[in-house]
Amino acid sequence: DVKVTQSSRYLVKRTGEKVFLECVQDMDHENMFWYRQDPGLGLRLIYFSYDVKMKEKGDIPEGYSVSREKKERFSLILESASTNQTSMYLCASTMGAATYEQYFGPGTRLTVT
Amino acid sequence: EDKVVQSPLSLVVHEGDTVTLNCSYEVTNFRSLLWYKQEKKAPTFLFMLTSSGIEKKSGRLSSILDKKELFSILNITATQTGDSAVYLCAVTNSGTYKYIFGTGTRLKVLA
Repeated sequence: DVKVTQSSRYLVKRTGEKVFLECVQDMDHENMFWYRQDPGLGLRLIYFSYDVKMKEKGDIPEGYSVSREKKERFSLILESASTNQTSMYLCASTMGAATYEQYFGPGTRLTVT
Repeated sequence: EDKVVQSPLSLVVHEGDTVTLNCSYEVTNFRSLLWYKQEKKAPTFLFMLTSSGIEKKSGRLSSILDKKELFSILNITATQTGDSAVYLCAVTNSGTYKYIFGTGTRLKVLA
């Protein structure tokens, strides 16, 4: 079974803090994605990566950065957390270029106070 | 701009009812349409459709794609309380790695 894990299920941080969210997949997938999910807005793509050290901006990259130093690990970084980044963050992975289903991690519910 | 619209936004039914969830899309160079079920955690994959008119089926769930009219439906027959979830539709196009998601349909099945 494909497994995608995320470092925390729940996280509470203060405004201005630097926040790291980690995602690890165990199926040697090339592509990894970070989404945020908000009520009424669905899943919105923040960043994705199609190879180690390769990344592309999604639809809402402002305030975020990413790192992919190893194939199995994709990190999302909030450089200076703000209250409008309070959200559910979902990581996903897939093989191939959008030709297969995505496998999702359990999500991290981040609250910024 | 690529877009996916799901309807209804939410739905409440009783056990045993049949429901139909809708997903319409506008996407350049359509490649595939996917359905996911999301309970209180990660979305789990249900179906991927690429060809028009071919029904995919898994137990009480089935889905079909109409590429001419640009929509898909997800049917659930004999609903059970365990079907309560948010159902997400996503489409992909041939030009990018991106999956474009709709906002989902929240289904609640009452005992």
